[in-house]
Amino acid sequence: KAGVTQTPRYLIKTRGQQVTLSCSPISGHRSVSWYQQTPGQGLQFLFEYFSETQRNKGNFPGRFSGRQFSNSRSEMNVSTLELGDSALYLCASSFGGANDNEQFFGPGTRLTVL
Amino acid sequence: AQTVTQSQPEMSVQEAETVTLSCTYDTSESNYYLFWYKQPPSRQMILVIRQEAYKQQNATENRFSVNFQKAAKSFSLKISDSQLGDTAMYFCAFRGGSNYKLTFGKGTLLTVNP
Repeated sequence: KAGVTQTPRYLIKTRGQQVTLSCSPISGHRSVSWYQQTPGQGLQFLFEYFSETQRNKGNFPGRFSGRQFSNSRSEMNVSTLELGDSALYLCASSFGGANDNEQFFGPGTRLTVL
Repeated sequence: AQTVTQSQPEMSVQEAETVTLSCTYDTSESNYYLFWYKQPPSRQMILVIRQEAYKQQNATENRFSVNFQKAAKSFSLKISDSQLGDTAMYFCAFRGGSNYKLTFGKGTLLTVNP
């Protein structure tokens, strides 16, 4: 069974640009969550999608957005990039039920903003 | 809002010895889940062990066990017979029963020395 995949693995952008990251969950999983990991702030929750609907949202500005497709694949978009957006972006998938308490993480996308 | 605190930024242990990583959390919820995740240098986050708050019995997974003290809001991880492959960043995480986001501690970098 394939794990969670994220593309691209590495990305370099300049300030002001926008970027789209992709996450393919484990087959059968309907929930995808996104996290930002930085040395200073640690792991912070961005948002979670379930069956194409955003179910939970963290405390990030509106420049961070996401969506989920009917096949459960998810994309995350960051517009007007800032230097502080440089981070490892992790996605995690799960079945998404109320008693489902294990999230499986992908390898992450390393975003560098110059 | 929930908070998770890991007071040990770094720890080291000799191979084959036992080490305990500390975690405390704060929540007003009665139903929740607690996790320890491991993130080796390759960056793939892996679930080590989980504990449901309603279960009094401490979870155990092979060499990994937890000491869950609900009243004290403490959730420590014990690693027995430490192996070189246990070298990683360890994150304590909380998930409330009514939502699907994980709140992480800042992490403890564990180094197992030969």
